[in-house]
Amino acid sequence: DVKVTQSSRYLVKRTGEKVFLECVQDMDHENMFWYRQDPGLGLRLIYFSYDVKMKEKGDIPEGYSVSREKKERFSLILESASTNQTSMYLCASSTRGGGVNEQFFGPGTRLTVL
Amino acid sequence: QQQVKQSPQSLIVQKGGISIINCAYENTAFDYFPWYQQFPGKGPALLIAIRPDVSEKKEGRFTISFNKSAKQFSLHIMDSQPGDSATYFCAARVQGGSEKLVFGKGTKLTVNP
Repeated sequence: DVKVTQSSRYLVKRTGEKVFLECVQDMDHENMFWYRQDPGLGLRLIYFSYDVKMKEKGDIPEGYSVSREKKERFSLILESASTNQTSMYLCASSTRGGGVNEQFFGPGTRLTVL
Repeated sequence: QQQVKQSPQSLIVQKGGISIINCAYENTAFDYFPWYQQFPGKGPALLIAIRPDVSEKKEGRFTISFNKSAKQFSLHIMDSQPGDSATYFCAARVQGGSEKLVFGKGTKLTVNP
């Protein structure tokens, strides 16, 4: 089974702190994604990566950056956390090419910024 | 702007009833339409998906109906069960090979016993 793991299920940080959210997948997927999920707003794409060291902005990249130094790991970075970044963060991965490719999601990290 | 509009926001159905969730999109730059199911405390998981050259796809009690000319697609859950209670997201994949998905805002389904 594909497994996508996220480093923390719950995280509490202070305003202004630098926050790292880590995601690891074990199926050699080329694509990895970071979403945030907020009630009534659904899933919104922050960043995605289709290869090591490659990244593309999603729909809401402001205030976030990402890093992908290894194929299996995709990190989301909040340079200076703010209260409006309190949210559920979901990581996903998928293969690339060859038709239809399912995105596999991790369990999410609920981040609270105080 | 690429958008997928989903309705209703919440839905309550009695056990054995039919649950219907609707989605609409605004442009034709999508080439694949999946539905994801999310239980509390879990990440979303693919439930069923359809390509735009097919008008209907059925998997067990779950059916997607797709109307390309109207730019609409819907999920039908037949004989709804309490275990179907979850949040459902429709999505559309952006053409071009990036595997980027645009999600609807979700529908919280409650099936009463």
